[in-house]
Amino acid sequence: QVQLVQSGSELKKPGASVKVSCKASGYTFTSYAMNWVRQAPGQGLEWMGWINTNTGNPTYAQGFTGRFVFSLDTSVSTAYLQISSLKAEDTAVYYCARDRPGSYFPHFDYWGQGTLVTVSS
Amino acid sequence: DIQMTQSPSSLSASVGDRVTITCQASQDISNYLNWYQQKPGKAPKLLIYDASNLETGVPSRFSGSGSGTDFTFTISSLQPEDIATYYCQQYDNLPPAFGGGTKVEIK
Repeated sequence: QVQLVQSGSELKKPGASVKVSCKASGYTFTSYAMNWVRQAPGQGLEWMGWINTNTGNPTYAQGFTGRFVFSLDTSVSTAYLQISSLKAEDTAVYYCARDRPGSYFPHFDYWGQGTLVTVSS
Repeated sequence: DIQMTQSPSSLSASVGDRVTITCQASQDISNYLNWYQQKPGKAPKLLIYDASNLETGVPSRFSGSGSGTDFTFTISSLQPEDIATYYCQQYDNLPPAFGGGTKVEIK
């Protein structure tokens, strides 16, 4: 069965960096794009962007350029989200979500369990 | 960017009630709309895709309808395990956008 397993919660100081992993299993990793979605505390869902797992080409949503980097290690079927120069407003749960095929644009059929990143001094 | 307006933002209903949530897109999105369920502390789960198709394994009391700009999500008979926040999401264009969510509670 399809599973996306994310790395554990992180507590970071402002200005630090964090790298969140999302390990996929139960399907061919390079056949489906991977998305990243943010959920700030008590808030709704916000699409951050996606990465083509075949080519490694990322696309970032507005507001998620510069400090946010999507990457892959296809040898271990894992996608990564790295955030640098962390700010308090980056505190959120970050989800990876597999792209559901059948459309040009992202929609999500399987989700990781989420990784809470807390930024606090 | 396409905006998704979901209503109500919260509702309270009794077990067995019919529950309806609406989602309006700021422009025509054809049927490129999903509905997700998010239980507290959990990841969202896909329930309905292409506006009206039930994802495999999802109970038949959940349904969706609509096309263009106006969409409806229905729980035909509310169950205690349906307590969650429900989100619509368009995928007609980038960026994919979510509605603000509807929190469903038991009366």
